[in-house]
Amino acid sequence: DADVTQTPRNRITKTGKRIMLECSQTKGHDRMYWYRQDPGLGLRLIYYSFDVKDINKGEISDGYSVSRQAQAKFSLSLESAIPNQTALYFCATSDLGREIENIQYFGAGTRLSVL
Amino acid sequence: SQQGEEDPQALSIQEGENATMNCSYKTSINNLQWYRQNSGRGLVHLILIRSNEREKHSGRLRVTLDTSKKSSSLLITASRAADTASYFCATDNYGGSQGNLIFGKGTKLSVKP
Repeated sequence: DADVTQTPRNRITKTGKRIMLECSQTKGHDRMYWYRQDPGLGLRLIYYSFDVKDINKGEISDGYSVSRQAQAKFSLSLESAIPNQTALYFCATSDLGREIENIQYFGAGTRLSVL
Repeated sequence: SQQGEEDPQALSIQEGENATMNCSYKTSINNLQWYRQNSGRGLVHLILIRSNEREKHSGRLRVTLDTSKKSSSLLITASRAADTASYFCATDNYGGSQGNLIFGKGTKLSVKP
């Protein structure tokens, strides 16, 4: 089984709908991240969480919200989806104990299309 | 904002040839990492080089780091068709928000059999 699991893998939705992307991990890591990837733009950080009580905005948080329900679960919500949120979304984790390295472990991604 | 910028954006080579990708970054770093992404899949960590290291090897991978030029290179020797993927450099945000990585836009490598 994958260490970092994202659901759903693919989602098509309509403008204005609320969408939740879920991420769970079995690596026991404290730190979790949400990125989006657009062609030619690389990965951009949306939100990150260093523990259950710590949530931080990333580079492009507008239009998104997150919830850290437990150490192992970190959800990303689009309150009212718009077409320019069509992208590939990745969840990642890293180990607080190896903070200086910050090697990140990625899920397989969620491909979201907003029509 | 992009910290790392990879060069070239795309690279096409024959199997058995070496592939070299470069990364430039803007600020001081603690370390630099390289990741690989197969088409539409999640990124996988390949190798990390610390700011006090100049060269590091892992199997067919060789990474160099020049902190004076704020640049790094990734060399894949004796490439295989299975090396076809996108490669990203990532730097930490030294002095900024701790625990974040900043990824470049990637180099898309195509290895033809």
